Amino acid sequence: EVQLVESGGGLVKPGGSLRLSCAASGFTFSSYSMNWVRQAPGKGLEWVSSISSSSSYIYYADSVKGRFTISRDNAKNSLYLQMNSLRAEDTAVYYCARGSGDGATQYYYYYGMDVWGQGTTVTVSS
Amino acid sequence: DIVMTQTPLSLSVTPGQPASISCKSSQSLLHSDGKTYLYWYLQKPGQPPQLLIYEVSNRFSGVPDRFSGSGSGTDFTLKISRVEAEDVGVYYCMQSIQLPWTFGQGTKVEIK
Repeated sequence: EVQLVESGGGLVKPGGSLRLSCAASGFTFSSYSMNWVRQAPGKGLEWVSSISSSSSYIYYADSVKGRFTISRDNAKNSLYLQMNSLRAEDTAVYYCARGSGDGATQYYYYYGMDVWGQGTTVTVSS
Repeated sequence: DIVMTQTPLSLSVTPGQPASISCKSSQSLLHSDGKTYLYWYLQKPGQPPQLLIYEVSNRFSGVPDRFSGSGSGTDFTLKISRVEAEDVGVYYCMQSIQLPWTFGQGTKVEIK
C-alpha cells in the first residue's frame, strides 16, 4: 500500500524555523517526483514546492522562495521541507504528495499529484 | 499565474440525483503534446485531498464510475451521475500546465 506520513509540525514563533519530514513506503520512492502543498485554516489548497526524482529540478511558490528548501533522501525514502523565517501566514496543514508520471524530467510537474499524506500542522504564532 | 474559477461554490444534492461542478481557467490548459493538464480532487471532511480525475477525463484507480470529467481548453466539468452520502466534501480543480500549480476555490458538496 502506498503511504506517505508527514511529521515535524508544531508551534513556532515568527522568524523561527521548522523542518518537516515525509516518510514514504509502498512504492519506489526514487522514481517519483514529490511535492508539498499547504492548506491554511478554513482555506483552499496552495502549492508550495516540488522536487524531481533525482533532485535535479526544484520549484517553489513565490510566497516561500528564499525561505523554504525542499530536499529528499532516496536512500531513506524521505522528503523534507526546511522552513526558515516563518511568518504567521505560513500557518497551515502541510501535505506531502507524490507526483504522477515520469518524475525525472524537467517538466515532471505536468502530471500533478496522485497520493497524499495525512498532513502535519504548522502554527506560527508568538 | 493561471486563475482557476469554480462554480458553484456550494451544492446541496439529494442522494441519487446528479451533480455538476464547473471549472474555468484563465488560460488554455491544452499543451502542444496534445494533453490537457486539468485535475480534480476531493477532500472529504477531516481528510487529505484524494485524486479523482486526471487530464480532464481519466478516472484515477479505484474511483467509482459515477464520477466523470469533461471539457477542453479553458472550460471543464466534473459530473457525479448519482450522488451518494460518501461523496460529501470539497471538490477542487487544479491546473498543472504551468507553475505555480493553481487550484480552484473549491466547491463544497453536501447531502440534502
